[in-house]
Amino acid sequence: DSGVTQTPKHLITATGQRVTLRCSPRSGDLSVYWYQQSLDQGLQFLIQYYNGEERAKGNILERFSAQQFPDLHSELNLSSLELGDSALYFCASSVGGLAGYNEQFFGPGTRLTVL
Amino acid sequence: AQSVTQLGSHVSVSEGALVLLRCNYSSSVPPYLFWYVQYPNQGLQLLLKYTTGATLVKGINGFEAEFKKSETSFHLTKPSAHMSDAAEYFCAVSDQGSYIPTFGRGTSLIVHP
Repeated sequence: DSGVTQTPKHLITATGQRVTLRCSPRSGDLSVYWYQQSLDQGLQFLIQYYNGEERAKGNILERFSAQQFPDLHSELNLSSLELGDSALYFCASSVGGLAGYNEQFFGPGTRLTVL
Repeated sequence: AQSVTQLGSHVSVSEGALVLLRCNYSSSVPPYLFWYVQYPNQGLQLLLKYTTGATLVKGINGFEAEFKKSETSFHLTKPSAHMSDAAEYFCAVSDQGSYIPTFGRGTSLIVHP
């Protein structure tokens, strides 16, 4: 158990819909990262928040957005969903803001299926 | 930007045999290097990392990796495979001062009895 929690574990929805994925980092970790894992794209970094502020942005679509709240939990919002958005979405956390140096602790993921 | 190449999407070994998973990166400047493991239906877990110092890094579960600057490689090895090692392994690389590592496509390790 990494200490990172994600809800829900599974999500099935239809094209055009909007969903929210939730992540609670390990106690004491200030950074939260979101990744998308799919068979064709592999593990893709989406976005990072550090202590409530956006720190780094990766291959995140404009239809996707995220935020980190004062209690440090984070939510990833996916809207106007398409079939290609079906994937495993991981949240990770680290103590510092430099994932390039600090170890990241990954949650168990949310499996999103868009029908 | 960094790129990471993991040679072989699948590697199959017999239980007790040597495990060798290959990782090459693109930077000419020594980066930070990581190996993560992902067991079925779980998130990624850090096996080991190299930042500075000794180029042979020991990790959890008997795995180790050697940073070879001249070859821009960071291959992962284990002397004797166990059935429990069957998982997906990811190499990740980041430039010093970078916020985010770049992950390879992963190598699925299959262990036969």
